[in-house]
Amino acid sequence: DAMVIQNPRYQVTQFGKPVTLSCSQTLNHNVMYWYQQKSSQAPKLLFHYYDKDFNNEADTPDNFQSRRPNTSFCFLDIRSPGLGDAAMYLCATSSAAQGGEQFFGPGTRLTVL
Amino acid sequence: AQSVTQLDSQVPVFEEAPVELRCNYSSSVSVYLFWYVQYPNQGLQLLLKYLSGSTLVKGINGFEAEFNKSQTSFHLRKPSVHISDTAEYFCAVSTYNTDKLIFGTGTRLQVFP
Repeated sequence: DAMVIQNPRYQVTQFGKPVTLSCSQTLNHNVMYWYQQKSSQAPKLLFHYYDKDFNNEADTPDNFQSRRPNTSFCFLDIRSPGLGDAAMYLCATSSAAQGGEQFFGPGTRLTVL
Repeated sequence: AQSVTQLDSQVPVFEEAPVELRCNYSSSVSVYLFWYVQYPNQGLQLLLKYLSGSTLVKGINGFEAEFNKSQTSFHLRKPSVHISDTAEYFCAVSTYNTDKLIFGTGTRLQVFP
């Protein structure tokens, strides 16, 4: 089945220790998104790629970076995680033909010690 | 700019009772509308979507929603809920000229036996 895959599902890191979350897709969608979701809140868009074009949200901290080496893969790098960065991180994909529908991965739960 | 309002943060209901989760939106252009469900520690799953055509949209798990342009609403309904419907529900909107989804704040549906 075509899908969005996120690894790992659970990630524990130490305060200030860089961490990378990964996302891959078999849908061949040209748009990929990264969201941060804290408890009992809606997902908050961090940035997205339209093909190779990177689009950063204005309020996304510089501590968050992303890479998209090819259509299938996208990475979220947190350079110096703080306690406030503990959250669920969701990857999603879409294509122009889907009328705005986004397809979500299962998420990575990040814990910062 | 678009916005989405989910007035009910929590909706408690007994099993087999009907339920309606309310969603209102604001937009100056035509919209696409979505309902997503999120179970604990999982990603978002599409329940249903309205892109165009019939205003009554049927989705998975027995849910349906009706697009009401004059009232700018897209309420989600189910005639008889199950314990397994306990989850967070997000209404979202996008338009033809954006890659982004605007989410409501979510409604927690709690089904009691």
